[in-house]
Amino acid sequence: DIQMTQSPSSLSASVGDRVTITCRASQGISNFLAWYQQKPGKVPKVLIYAASTLQSGVPSRFTGSGSGTDFTLTISSLQPEDVAAYYCQEYNSAPFTFGGGTKVEIK
Amino acid sequence: EVQLVESGGGLVQPGGSLKLSCAASGFTFSGSAVHWVRQASGKGLEWVGRIRSKANTYATAYAASVKGRFTISRDDSENTAYLQMNSLKTEDTAIYYCARPQQDDSTDYRGLGYWGQGTLVTVSS
Repeated sequence: DIQMTQSPSSLSASVGDRVTITCRASQGISNFLAWYQQKPGKVPKVLIYAASTLQSGVPSRFTGSGSGTDFTLTISSLQPEDVAAYYCQEYNSAPFTFGGGTKVEIK
Repeated sequence: EVQLVESGGGLVQPGGSLKLSCAASGFTFSGSAVHWVRQASGKGLEWVGRIRSKANTYATAYAASVKGRFTISRDDSENTAYLQMNSLKTEDTAIYYCARPQQDDSTDYRGLGYWGQGTLVTVSS
């Protein structure tokens, strides 16, 4: 099974900062990667699929990149409403493993 | 409107069994895969397993942590999916969500776009 290692596990940044979250797969997964946002008390929401395709309705400050084993989620200008946990999920082959998550807070 | 409603959670002793249900509405259930995802209190998401549609031979897949203990099934006539959990362990304690991919099962996976509200399973003596 593929392991997904996400870092950092948490971060604190100021409004307007650029934030980067990374996700590393234990073996190549092409671009079969999705990113989710989970706000406190809510269910997860898809931000990005196919590693870099922005889900309809998601603000353009969110971008995804990468292929193979290394992936990145970037928030270009952190907003207060971006306080949440973020998860990557690979879907190259079942099981569709999630990364451990990154908790984003405002400094 | 797509709706997924889980039920069947509760308190069960270690070694016991529990069957969760996921009742679906607002879309063509028979054409969609169904996934189960769990989340322990204060922890991250853990993919549990999924069942595909009839067109994809109802194929199932499971996380290593539950393989051999959990079974996913579905009844397309009732628009319902199930998660049978046997030999439960304390570490299975979590909220269990059923979720549906954004696209139907004949097109590319684009992530889990629809989620139920979850049902709490507590494994404790």
